[in-house]
Amino acid sequence: EAGVVQSPRYKIIEKKQPVAFWCNPISGHNTLYWYLQNLGQGPELLIRYENEEAVDDSQLPKDRFSAERLKGVDSTLKIQPAELGDSAVYLCASSWTSGGATGELFFGEGSRLTVL
Amino acid sequence: QKEVEQNSGPLSVPEGAIASLNCTYSDRGSQSFFWYRQYSGKSPELIMSIYSNGDKEDGRFTAQLNKASQYVSLLIRDSQPSDSATYLCAVIGPRSTGRRALTFGSGTRLQVQP
Repeated sequence: EAGVVQSPRYKIIEKKQPVAFWCNPISGHNTLYWYLQNLGQGPELLIRYENEEAVDDSQLPKDRFSAERLKGVDSTLKIQPAELGDSAVYLCASSWTSGGATGELFFGEGSRLTVL
Repeated sequence: QKEVEQNSGPLSVPEGAIASLNCTYSDRGSQSFFWYRQYSGKSPELIMSIYSNGDKEDGRFTAQLNKASQYVSLLIRDSQPSDSATYLCAVIGPRSTGRRALTFGSGTRLQVQP
């Protein structure tokens, strides 16, 4: 069974440029998460989807970040414009959630962003 | 106060020893607790979950939960060099907060010396 697939693995851009990350979750998983991880820190939630609905986006900086999950499968996270402080690893995770919450997440390999 | 706190380490133990990793959480209503392992340059992977007070054992790993004291611990028996990684404690908060995704600590780096 394929795991969570993310692309690109690495991205280097100049500040003020846009960037987009793509995630394909494990087949059958209804919940998708985007986390941000800075060096030496734990992952921090940006947004959580249940099917195509964003049920928790309170931590997403909406002035520059946007996300979508069309048809409740793949998801895209966009940053426009990127700032130096956005340099981090962007992790996508998925899970099967039924009527509650689960901590059994499966993570993709992450997309490492460097903003120059 | 951070929601989930861990000592960043590094925690260094000799091969074959018991490694003890600790975590405290701030929200007394938190319900579910997890330990993830993250190798350098890799993504986190779930190794243990615990939902009720007491101990839960899985092979060389034992998770311990004490809700009254708001702490979670992970014991690794017979530590191996391959256990060297960062261990992330993660918590799901109470239903009342609406935050139903994992909140992670900053992780403890474990080094097992051969």
